[in-house]
Amino acid sequence: QVQLKESGPGLVQPSETLSLTCTVSGFSLTSYSVSWVRQPSGKGPEWMGRMWYDGDTAYNSALKSRLSISRDTSKNQVFLKMNSLQTDDTGTYYCTRDRGLLDYWGQGVMVTVSS
Amino acid sequence: DIVMTQTPSSQAVSAGEKVTMSCKSSQSLLYNENKKNYLAWYQQKPGQSPKLLIYWASTRESGVPDRFIGSGSGTDFTLTISSVQAEDLAVYYCQQYYNLDTFGAGTKLELK
Repeated sequence: QVQLKESGPGLVQPSETLSLTCTVSGFSLTSYSVSWVRQPSGKGPEWMGRMWYDGDTAYNSALKSRLSISRDTSKNQVFLKMNSLQTDDTGTYYCTRDRGLLDYWGQGVMVTVSS
Repeated sequence: DIVMTQTPSSQAVSAGEKVTMSCKSSQSLLYNENKKNYLAWYQQKPGQSPKLLIYWASTRESGVPDRFIGSGSGTDFTLTISSVQAEDLAVYYCQQYYNLDTFGAGTKLELK
């Protein structure tokens, strides 16, 4: 069955770089796209960016200067790197299978930006 | 960027009631080539990831009860729950996937 699982540090210092990994199973990264979505506590989701099935990427214009998404198809993994983190980057980060609509979501990883 | 506006922000309901919530987009989500509206609805319960309910504005995801009904076209969309059940208490988000993706701020269903 389709599964996605996020992993990465729960605590990041301000101004540092966040690195997250999404490990997928039950589908191929060369057939489906994967998006990253984040959600501050008590607020709505924010789409961050997409790794297309063909290896291309797309980013939220508000985050584009700080964000990079890559993948390793041999390991079924998609990576997120975002630099210059601030306290308002605190929230839960999800990876999702993306057909435009987001039909499968990981459980999410809580990231706190604090010194 | 396309802005999604959801109303109301919260709504108190009783079991068995019919509920409607609105989602408006700042530009049309109707793609003329295929006549599809690039609009989805998600349900999120506390401590859980969002769950896809409706896509193409009115197509229910597999396994979603038929009391959930999506409607609308262009810039105005509605999610209706024909008879609310206790397990439907959650936050509902709309999402456009016409041009990149954006979400609305959500409508929270609470018990009256």
